[in-house]
Amino acid sequence: KAGVTQTPRYLIKTRGQQVTLSCSPISGHRSVSWYQQTPGQGLQFLFEYFSETQRNKGNFPGRFSGRQFSNSRSEMNVSTLELGDSALYLCASSTSGTSGTDTQYFGPGTRLTVL
Amino acid sequence: QKEVEQNSGPLSVPEGAIASLNCTYSDRGSQSFFWYRQYSGKSPELIMFIYSNGDKEDGRFTAQLNKASQYVSLLIRDSQPSDSATYLCAVNRDGNQFYFGTGTSLTVIP
Repeated sequence: KAGVTQTPRYLIKTRGQQVTLSCSPISGHRSVSWYQQTPGQGLQFLFEYFSETQRNKGNFPGRFSGRQFSNSRSEMNVSTLELGDSALYLCASSTSGTSGTDTQYFGPGTRLTVL
Repeated sequence: QKEVEQNSGPLSVPEGAIASLNCTYSDRGSQSFFWYRQYSGKSPELIMFIYSNGDKEDGRFTAQLNKASQYVSLLIRDSQPSDSATYLCAVNRDGNQFYFGTGTSLTVIP
């Protein structure tokens, strides 16, 4: 079974621009979560989608948004980029997102650099 | 109080020794527990998960869960330099959100 895929793997943007990142979950997985990881910080939860609905949202400004499509693929968008948005953005998928015994698997991440 | 807490380290052990990583969690309703390994610049890779009290072994790795004390540990036997990484502890409470610790940095010295 193919793993979680993320595109693009690397991105360089300038302040004020916007960016869209894509995530394709493992086949059969319906829950997709997004995380931001910066040096010295742990994984910070952005949001989680299941069946095209955002169920949980972390403590990030409204510039960060996401969506999920009917095939479970997900995108996240960051508008008006700031230097502090430079980070590794990770997508993780799990089967149902409704069971306490679900397991999350991570994609390779998208490395975003904001200049 | 953080959902999941880990000692950030760094933890250094000599090659061939046992590395012991610990994690505590705050919510007694947490149902499943995970250890991920993350190499610098890479994404987290699942090593083990455990649901029930006690020990679970997989090769050189043993996960230990004590729900009464709300802690999870990971033992790495015969540590190798390739085990040098950051280890993340995670808990799943209800399926739709996972909570991660900040990770423990492990260095295995040849």
